[in-house]
Amino acid sequence: GQQLNQSPQSMFIQEGEDVSMNCTSSSIFNTWLWYKQDPGEGPVLLIALYKAGELTSNGRLTAQFGITRKDSFLNISASIPSDVGIYFCAGQPSYNFNKFYFGSGTKLNVKP
Amino acid sequence: ETGVTQSPTHLIKTRGQQVTLRCSSQSGHNTVSWYQQALGQGPQFIFQYYREEENGRGNFPPRFSGLQFPNYSSELNVNALELDDSALYLCASSLLRQGGNGNYGYTFGSGTRLTVV
Repeated sequence: GQQLNQSPQSMFIQEGEDVSMNCTSSSIFNTWLWYKQDPGEGPVLLIALYKAGELTSNGRLTAQFGITRKDSFLNISASIPSDVGIYFCAGQPSYNFNKFYFGSGTKLNVKP
Repeated sequence: ETGVTQSPTHLIKTRGQQVTLRCSSQSGHNTVSWYQQALGQGPQFIFQYYREEENGRGNFPPRFSGLQFPNYSSELNVNALELDDSALYLCASSLLRQGGNGNYGYTFGSGTRLTVV
């Protein structure tokens, strides 16, 4: 079945540093979503991308839909302690518009 | 916007029992999807409902079934519970794009934590 490869698996950074994580797939996707999940909560949508090459920002977060339509990245600038959590990418393949596949998550730890 | 609400928040069931989980969609959304999230993993797609019919299904056995109601609320039913069914069950609502070729970004509920003993 379809797999999304999300990396890195975990990150330990200092407050104020920038962060970058990415997802790649073996299939062409028509939508990429990025979520943050805190313990015991559901994922919260951060950024949605619908076109190849699209670059979208949400405050200190920036995400891009790769031009090959097989990858996406999320950047967080000037990290703060409340950025701690697990970040998931999710993609909707072009051959199936009714489901999203999720990456395995990037666990972000921020040291004050 | 009321968001997506799920009930109950936690549930403990015995192996072999049946369970029903409930979800109320975000206002204005017309599709409901259910996901299973095991500890330390990303959510896995179970199925999606649109206009009260299942229009997409993941790799889950038939004992996982669902319903969508005219008010876009939804149920997930699991029969003959197994220990491996223990997980966080997430409901997500979305708006199916014009032409039916994709969904605008999912909004998730906080989930139901199911423990099977």
